[in-house]
Amino acid sequence: GDSVTQMEGPVTLSEEAFLTINCTYTATGYPSLFWYVQYPGEGLQLLLKATKADDKGSNKGFEATYRKETTSFHLEKGSVQVSDSAVYFCALKAGANNLFFGTGTRLTVIP
Amino acid sequence: NAGVTQTPKFRILKIGQSMTLQCTQDMNHNYMYWYRQDPGMGLKLIYYSVGAGITDKGEVPNGYNVSRSTTEDFPLRLELAAPSQTSVYFCASRPPSQEANQPQHFGDGTRLSIL
Repeated sequence: GDSVTQMEGPVTLSEEAFLTINCTYTATGYPSLFWYVQYPGEGLQLLLKATKADDKGSNKGFEATYRKETTSFHLEKGSVQVSDSAVYFCALKAGANNLFFGTGTRLTVIP
Repeated sequence: NAGVTQTPKFRILKIGQSMTLQCTQDMNHNYMYWYRQDPGMGLKLIYYSVGAGITDKGEVPNGYNVSRSTTEDFPLRLELAAPSQTSVYFCASRPPSQEANQPQHFGDGTRLSIL
């Protein structure tokens, strides 16, 4: 079945450090891939998405490239800020009406 | 626009009690979803609806019921609360589109504890 495997956290970084959160997926067909972010006390918000192989999603300095050959969609940011502290979820949608979510990675950025 | 609104934000129930978690959206979205988020886990789909009068089970529907009498509202009901239902519940919606990859819009969640 369809599934998402996400790098376990928590991740603690200093401000301006480079961020990578790994995400790999298993799916039949050609899924769309998403990164959602959840700030404390809030619901999930879409951060970025990619709908086909080699697409790069980007938003707020975050990027992720849809790699079909490695079935991956790793999230990266060159210089994190304290305001990026949140839980990040990788998700997959493969034609059904729901999303399959990873377990989430908690990021804490310290000044 | 308010987006997706969930009430209540917090609730404590005793085992065996019943309650309804409310969800309403003002974006005229056809698709609506209920998820639960357990500690250290991703979201699991409980039920979803593709339009008024139509509901379907998701991955973890046992112990829950839903109804969709209007486009705006998608309440989730727990009939006999059990400790295993302690979780954070998220409602989401998305617009109808030929592009099925429209993002879902989430509410802020309802934190439910069963004691």
